[in-house]
Amino acid sequence: GAVVSQHPSWVICKSGTSVKIECRSLDFQATTMFWYRQFPKQSLMLMATSNEGSKATYEQGVEKDKFLINHASLTLSTLTVTSAHPEDSSFYICSARDGGRDLPEAFFGQGTRLTVV
Amino acid sequence: GQNIDQPTEMTATEGAIVQINCTYQTSGFNGLFWYQQHAGEAPTFLSYNVLDGLEEKGRFSSFLSRSKGYSYLLLKELQMKDSASYLCAVVGRITDKLIFGTGTRLQVFP
Repeated sequence: GAVVSQHPSWVICKSGTSVKIECRSLDFQATTMFWYRQFPKQSLMLMATSNEGSKATYEQGVEKDKFLINHASLTLSTLTVTSAHPEDSSFYICSARDGGRDLPEAFFGQGTRLTVV
Repeated sequence: GQNIDQPTEMTATEGAIVQINCTYQTSGFNGLFWYQQHAGEAPTFLSYNVLDGLEEKGRFSSFLSRSKGYSYLLLKELQMKDSASYLCAVVGRITDKLIFGTGTRLQVFP
């Protein structure tokens, strides 16, 4: 149980285009989803927290107009990188928390490697 | 604010024991996780501590002292496949966010 599917696993796009990343909880209801970004040899940096049906809460320094997050259902959250630039190239990982569990553990998707050329 | 620190890199020999430390300062505390992450992959869950003391799970153990804001992950009988990054993550009581530490890259040599 507690499987999170993230898609796509990798994507290459041209500078100025937008990219959408999907994060789905397959066998549980994800009341909260987290989006992280990870640069090479660095740890995971929290970008935003999203709760189903409400606006995402962004961390300081993260542009909410550039990184659009939608959590329309209890099993799906999307991150759209708008007008992507080479400096947005990174490893993006989502995680989801199962609202039915006592443990505040978050289950991770496989990650998406974004390369902007 | 939140501050979670770990050593950047560690090396050890196959078969040995290694301890990876994590110190934290957070706004409220609702538990500490340890994750393992191989390069290019998502983190995988290792352990969770919310009360003081030692949690043992096979070759891996994790310790927590809430009063000291301190945790460690102990890896015994090291294997080559244990070469990875180890991430300490804290859940805040108020924000309920999972915030990661700086991560420790462990390299195991034969």
